[in-house]
Amino acid sequence: QVQLQESGPGLVKPSQTLSLTCTVSGVSISSGMYYWTWIRQPAGKGLEWIGRMFISGKTNYNPSLKSRVIISVDTSKNQVSLRLSSVTAADTAVYYCVSGYCSGSDCYPRYWGQGTLVTVSS
Amino acid sequence: QSVLTQPPSVSAAPGQKVTISCSGSSSNIGNNYVTWSQQLPGTAPKLLIYDNNKRPSGLPDRFSGSKSGTSATLGITGLQTGDEADYYCGTWDSSLSAYVFGTGTKVTVL
Repeated sequence: QVQLQESGPGLVKPSQTLSLTCTVSGVSISSGMYYWTWIRQPAGKGLEWIGRMFISGKTNYNPSLKSRVIISVDTSKNQVSLRLSSVTAADTAVYYCVSGYCSGSDCYPRYWGQGTLVTVSS
Repeated sequence: QSVLTQPPSVSAAPGQKVTISCSGSSSNIGNNYVTWSQQLPGTAPKLLIYDNNKRPSGLPDRFSGSKSGTSATLGITGLQTGDEADYYCGTWDSSLSAYVFGTGTKVTVL
């Protein structure tokens, strides 16, 4: 089974860049069996999809965040990264690393990390 | 703002059945598969249903999913206190080229 562990600063200042890393175990990112997704959840609110990356390099991003987001992978470290620039208080949330699986024409979030809280504050 | 609409809450007594609706449009539910995820209090979400109506191995058949047109439904039978959680539908939106989630529904066992 795939296991995901998010890590990174819990506090980021406004206007700076939020950077998170997801360490993947149980599967090699290079295998292409899964794609890699980031999803966030502000306290007491619903889920917001940030974007995804396939091992081919193809990415899709939430249109509302597209200009500020980069998702990348480091196959040598079996890690997935998220960078979100020019953050504001509205970016305060629990950030989840999620492995996605494609079954035929359906691609969906399959395994979730435990999440990491990022607070944007000066 | 979510493009998929769910009721904020549903409730029923132990042993009873609840259904949760998820309403979308032709650009999302109408032409793509639906998933359902369960988020127990203080934990990360977990996949419950994929491909509209399929359950991951090990998930009890008390949970079921269906889809008709631009709406989907999650059913939970034999309700247990351990089912108290938030439930989210999700699907790909072809117009947005993005994955979208429902507004979420809180299930309460009376």
